[in-house]
Amino acid sequence: AQKVTQAQTEISVVEKEDVTLDCVYETRDTTYYLFWYKQPPSGELVFLIRRNSFDEQNEISGRYSWNFQKSTSSFNFTITASQVVDSAVYFCALSAGEYGNKLVFGAGTILRVKS
Amino acid sequence: NAGVTQTPKFRVLKTGQSMTLLCAQDMNHEYMYWYRQDPGMGLRLIHYSVGEGTTAKGEVPDGYNVSRLKKQNFLLGLESAAPSQTSVYFCASSYSGTGSEKLFFGSGTQLSVL
Repeated sequence: AQKVTQAQTEISVVEKEDVTLDCVYETRDTTYYLFWYKQPPSGELVFLIRRNSFDEQNEISGRYSWNFQKSTSSFNFTITASQVVDSAVYFCALSAGEYGNKLVFGAGTILRVKS
Repeated sequence: NAGVTQTPKFRVLKTGQSMTLLCAQDMNHEYMYWYRQDPGMGLRLIHYSVGEGTTAKGEVPDGYNVSRLKKQNFLLGLESAAPSQTSVYFCASSYSGTGSEKLFFGSGTQLSVL
């Protein structure tokens, strides 16, 4: 069975602080994909990044960076110099198994960035 | 480009009433999904479809039915609503069913069952 754990329920930071959102996953499959989605106050989920199990390279996109470590089954997300517009719920998700894009989501982390 | 459109956006039902949520996508996607979002639980898959005329159960299918008569539409029905079905419902679609595909989500339907 697949499982995603986001232990941080809510994080509050002041603008310009760096913040890391943790994600730990469980799967017995050797091929799997990890995702991060952002849910702003408007409600719609927005895709941020996808990573496959064979690619452990870290990725940076502007102020966003992701650290994938198979040894610890973690796929953490860091926002550098946070901004108020980063306030949202962030979900980590896992897709594994034979076929079918049936994502398993973590519970989500609420990020509040205060000005 | 509308993407994934859900109607209605809000609905209040009394226990025992029925309703249908409509999801429409204009991206010619084969796969469509219905999720529910509850506090502290993330999103959980209710039902999904791998193509026109097909449906399959997800993680929490009880109390819901679905239909995919047309490729672009995926309907979620509640035959006899219960307070436990109070939730935010999201429809999503993807081009294929490979695990690498990202999902495109609608804006959600907030349902309250009294």
